[in-house]
Amino acid sequence: GEDVEQSLFLSVREGDSSVINCTYTDSSSTYLYWYKQEPGAGLQLLTYIFSNMDMKQDQRLTVLLNKKDKHLSLRIADTQTGDSAIYFCAEEGSQGNLIFGKGTKLSVKP
Amino acid sequence: KAGVTQTPRYLIKTRGQQVTLSCSPISGHRSVSWYQQTPGQGLQFLFEYFSETQRNKGNFPGRFSGRQFSNSRSEMNVSTLELGDSALYLCASSPGGLMDEQFFGPGTRLTVL
Repeated sequence: GEDVEQSLFLSVREGDSSVINCTYTDSSSTYLYWYKQEPGAGLQLLTYIFSNMDMKQDQRLTVLLNKKDKHLSLRIADTQTGDSAIYFCAEEGSQGNLIFGKGTKLSVKP
Repeated sequence: KAGVTQTPRYLIKTRGQQVTLSCSPISGHRSVSWYQQTPGQGLQFLFEYFSETQRNKGNFPGRFSGRQFSNSRSEMNVSTLELGDSALYLCASSPGGLMDEQFFGPGTRLTVL
């Protein structure tokens, strides 16, 4: 079935890099996504990667995709306290919906 | 351009009651999707409406229903509320193409007592 797994918590120091990992099951997903959710807010699309790509860089964000292992990661360089949030990995479901992981709560310590 | 708006933002109901939540998509968007977010199950897809028709549906019981109006605004209804229906209900709008980015609203926090 369709499933997305990610670790629940990550704690880093300000200025360090954060790496959030995700595994997914549906290899037919054309795009894979990373969303960010801040307290009291909805989901904000951070970045996405086309399934034929291995890597995508967007300013401080780097997405790595290992299609063989169905592994996706999000690296945030020079992590700031404002990056503290919950990060969701998502794949495309067969019903035209998004299948989300449970989210990784990133805590950034000053 | 205004973002996706959801009303009300917070709601408290008791078991057995019914509730209606509203979502106004971004102007020009024709697709509205609804998701339920709980700590235990995470984000789960409820249904999607496009041009006033339900286009896709998740695995929720018939107590959960929705509709979309000609101006693309959507409502979601939950009848005979159960404690487990307590959740953050998020709606997302998109232009309507299958690969279009979905823009999420802030959600409605429903508490069932």
